[in-house]
Amino acid sequence: DSGVTQTPKHLITATGQRVTLRCSPRSGDLSVYWYQQSLDQGLQFLIQYYNGEERAKGNILERFSAQQFPDLHSELNLSSLELGDSALYFCASSVTTSAYNEQFFGPGTRLTVL
Amino acid sequence: ILNVEQSPQSLHVQEGDSTNFTCSFPSSNFYALHWYRWETAKSPEALFVMTLNGDEKKKGRISATLNTKEGYSYLYIKGSQPEDSATYLCAFDQGGKLIFGQGTELSVKP
Repeated sequence: DSGVTQTPKHLITATGQRVTLRCSPRSGDLSVYWYQQSLDQGLQFLIQYYNGEERAKGNILERFSAQQFPDLHSELNLSSLELGDSALYFCASSVTTSAYNEQFFGPGTRLTVL
Repeated sequence: ILNVEQSPQSLHVQEGDSTNFTCSFPSSNFYALHWYRWETAKSPEALFVMTLNGDEKKKGRISATLNTKEGYSYLYIKGSQPEDSATYLCAFDQGGKLIFGQGTELSVKP
């Protein structure tokens, strides 16, 4: 158990819908990262927050947005869902935003868009 | 586009065999290289964070080396056990943003 929690574990929804994925980082970690694992794709970096502020962006679609709240939990919002958004979404956390920090991964949320 | 390549894609070995896999990454703008172990139905688990050229790190039967000048890292497993079966991922660290390779899937048969 990494100490990072993610809810829900599974989510099944329809195209065009909007969902929110939630992540709570390890106690003491200020940085949160979101990754997407699609079929036949490696883990893809989406976005990073540090202490409430956006720090880095990857190939995140405009239909996706995220935020980190004062209590440091983070939410990833996915809207106008398409079949291709079906994937495993991981959240990870680290102590700071530095390159040398180990990132601890949560158990993931499996999103299925029908 | 930054490319992180891992080889081989998959590996099947017998219990007791030693094995190694490769991670290739850009040799410029290097910050750190991470190795993760990812078992099915679990989340990726950090093995090593490597930062210095010539670094060698060890955790039990698993060790890793780093060559930042030529852009590669090796992961070694000595005396593989069935519980070592997993996908091993390397990730090039771009200042906190991790760029993952596709992984090497290791299967160890008893």
